[in-house]
Amino acid sequence: ELKVEQNPLFLSMQEGKNYTIYCNYSTTSDRLYWYRQDPGKSLESLFVLLSNGAVKQEGRLMASLDTKARLSTLHITAAVHDLSATYFCAVYLSGTYKYIFGTGTRLKVLA
Amino acid sequence: NAGVTQTPKFQVLKTGQSMTLQCAQDMNHEYMSWYRQDPGMGLRLIHYSVGAGITDQGEVPNGYNVSRSTTEDFPLRLLSAAPSQTSVYFCASSYSSGGGYTFGSGTRLTVV
Repeated sequence: ELKVEQNPLFLSMQEGKNYTIYCNYSTTSDRLYWYRQDPGKSLESLFVLLSNGAVKQEGRLMASLDTKARLSTLHITAAVHDLSATYFCAVYLSGTYKYIFGTGTRLKVLA
Repeated sequence: NAGVTQTPKFQVLKTGQSMTLQCAQDMNHEYMSWYRQDPGMGLRLIHYSVGAGITDQGEVPNGYNVSRSTTEDFPLRLLSAAPSQTSVYFCASSYSSGGGYTFGSGTRLTVV
């Protein structure tokens, strides 16, 4: 059974600081997605990571994937208030048509 | 394009009642899924479909039925609502088996 763990679950940080969210998963996978969810809203796709060593960046967010360690990271650089949201990783189970989501990391950036 | 449309947005049911959550997409996506979101548990897969006429169970299928008679529609039926089914339900679709999801806006369901 695939398990996907994110940490931390909650993160409160000051504007301008850097931090990393971790996503660990328990079985092999060839792709991983990161999503953002604003309070009371739906989920929005941020990144797809398709291979070992893949790195994607947009604005202050950078995601990476290490398939050997079964670990993905979402790094936040110089956080701003607009980044406050819940971030989910989702791991694709190859050949099953299924995605398993992590529990989410609720990020709050304080002005 | 409307994307993925879910109705209703909010619903209150009494224990034992049945209802259908509607989901429609206009992107000609083959893959559609239903998830429920509960605090501290992320999103859990209820049922999914890989095309018209083909459905399968996810992680938490008990108490729910689905069917896929057309590419566009993927309704989720609650057979006999229970308080444990109080949750936010999301429908999602994808153009391919490993493609990223487009999510609907969600249905907030309360069972009393």
